[in-house]
Formats: sequence, structure tokens, C-alpha cells
Amino acid sequence: GIQVEQSPPDLILQEGANSTLRCNFSDSVNNLQWFHQNPWGQLINLFYIPSGTKQNGRLSATTVATERYSLLYISSSQTTDSGVYFCAVEQGSNSGYALNFGKGTSLLVTP
Amino acid sequence: SAVISQKPSRDICQRGTSLTIQCQVDSQVTMMFWYRQQPGQSLTLIATANQGSEATYESGFVIDKFPISRPNLTFSTLTVSNMSPEDSSIYLCSVRRSRETQYFGPGTRLLVL
Repeated sequence: GIQVEQSPPDLILQEGANSTLRCNFSDSVNNLQWFHQNPWGQLINLFYIPSGTKQNGRLSATTVATERYSLLYISSSQTTDSGVYFCAVEQGSNSGYALNFGKGTSLLVTP
Repeated sequence: SAVISQKPSRDICQRGTSLTIQCQVDSQVTMMFWYRQQPGQSLTLIATANQGSEATYESGFVIDKFPISRPNLTFSTLTVSNMSPEDSSIYLCSVRRSRETQYFGPGTRLLVL
């Protein structure tokens, strides 16, 4: 199946700083999504972005499908941004369109 | 979007017993998935449970251990059978209506003693 690698594995930021999280994948994808898992364990969908660029408030994402990577940008970070950020890609019809998750980037934003 | 509820939210069980987790969605969905998240780890797909067909299990997961029911387009159950401490995890129900955005339930936190 498709391999998904995320970097960095851990990140500590001071409030107000910016950061870039990276997701590399080993094959072409039909679907790529970014999720935030908050400290209480709830997974929130941030972006559906198999290609191109999207922005939502302080967050934006870019996927360059031809080069098999995606970036998640967090600007002016806040303590509520803490948690784990996952990149997930769709394996294709053989797996019924299920998402395959990377290991995540654990982000801690300090006051 | 989709609103997903899971029951129970958490449980502590003795080894050798079984637990059935329920997943309820606020509206009809075709694609439903069950994931496991072991402590400090990423999400691993257990099975895909599309209504009208048998669940499709991923490598390392078998129906005898994780039987799944999908009686209609808004409900599914996952049973964790003959539990051992290695089954201690968060179990997550997930749905997708289209090929795009996927949504997750709040999870069921299971501790097996």
C-alpha cells in the first residue's frame, strides 16, 4: 500500500510562531486529507486537498501531487492548536476508498 | 458534514470477555470504516463496512476477532472478542458520503485488564 511519512514527528512552538508540517507519500493518490486530533482525542478534518492550495483562517495547505508531497501551514499559532496533526491518503479502489494515515506530527504550542 | 456518536465512550473490561461498540450517524452514509488507535500511535484501519455487503478486513484483522454488523445506512457495530490487554486502544468509527471529506466519531476508549 501507499506509504505516508510525516515530518517533523514532534514540534514545540511558542504562541504566535508559524510552522510548516510535511507529508510525503509514495504513490499517486486520489484523496489526501489533513486532520487535527485534539488533546481529548477528537479527530477534526482540516482539509480535503488531493492537489492545489486551500486556506481556512490561520491554516493553509498545499499538495503537489506530481511530486508526492503536501504541506500544512499554521500561522500565528495558538495554544488551542496543540495536538497531533495527521496526513491521510486514499489507497484506491482495492481498499474500498479507506484512508491510510501517517504517524502524525505532535505539536505543542506554549504560552 | 456528519455527526457521529459512539457507545460506550469508554470501558474497562476483563480479559477473555467481549465488548460491542455502537456507531450511529445522523444521516445515511454508504462508506463506513472502523479504525484502531493504540496508545501513542497513529490510526490503523480494521475494516470497511459498506451496507449491503460483508465487511472487508485489513491484513492482521479477522472476522472472528472483530465481527462487524452494518444493518442499515446509519448504524454499525464492532465487537472486540476474547479481549486481551493488547486490545487496549481507542476504537473509532468513521464515515464518508462522497469521495471527499471523511468524518470521525469521538472514539471508544477501551482498557483491558
